[in-house]
Amino acid sequence: DAGVIQSPRHEVTEMGQEVTLRCKPISGHDYLFWYRQTMMRGLELLIYFNNNVPIDDSGMPEDRFSAKMPNASFSTLKIQPSEPRDSAVYFCASNRAGETQYFGPGTRLLVL
Amino acid sequence: AQSVSQHNHHVILSEAASLELGCNYSYGGTVNLFWYVQYPGQHLQLLLKYFSGDPLVKGIKGFEAEFIKSKFSFNLRKPSVQWSDTAEYFCAVNPSYSSASKIIFGSGTRLSIRP
Repeated sequence: DAGVIQSPRHEVTEMGQEVTLRCKPISGHDYLFWYRQTMMRGLELLIYFNNNVPIDDSGMPEDRFSAKMPNASFSTLKIQPSEPRDSAVYFCASNRAGETQYFGPGTRLLVL
Repeated sequence: AQSVSQHNHHVILSEAASLELGCNYSYGGTVNLFWYVQYPGQHLQLLLKYFSGDPLVKGIKGFEAEFIKSKFSFNLRKPSVQWSDTAEYFCAVNPSYSSASKIIFGSGTRLSIRP
């Protein structure tokens, strides 16, 4: 298996622009997680899905952030409008219930 | 609320020194336990895990961890570190009751090895 796939790997954008991050989980995994990592705040869980349904979005920082999972093999995290404080590495992870969680390579986002 | 504490934020060791990184969690029931490693510029990778059975778990690259239920601890150890062990280490807990499969991560411990 190719593992969790994320795109793009790097994104540089200007404040106010819309940013869309993409994730393909490992096939057969029914849980998908979005995390954000910064030096200041460490690793934060933003939202997670089970069978494509959002279960807990309490970590989403504000309404500018939204996430969708239209099918079992694809999820997006969207920031609109983006702000410099959104600069971070965004990780997607997936797992089967109760099993090891596997992380994607991350998307490094820089908002100027 | 459940939490995971990693008391050492930054540990600096010389090569060949022994390592122990502390991890304590606050949940009183059955848990699954993990250590993840994040090498500079990379994503988190599983180092080892404990679900049940022998509380002394051996992982990759010579790491091991011991689950002590009475102390709510899952400390990571390595008898002799190498420069290539320089990384950030995250302890994580998944309460077994949680059908939601949410894993709670500690804040991480940055390990720097002097060559």
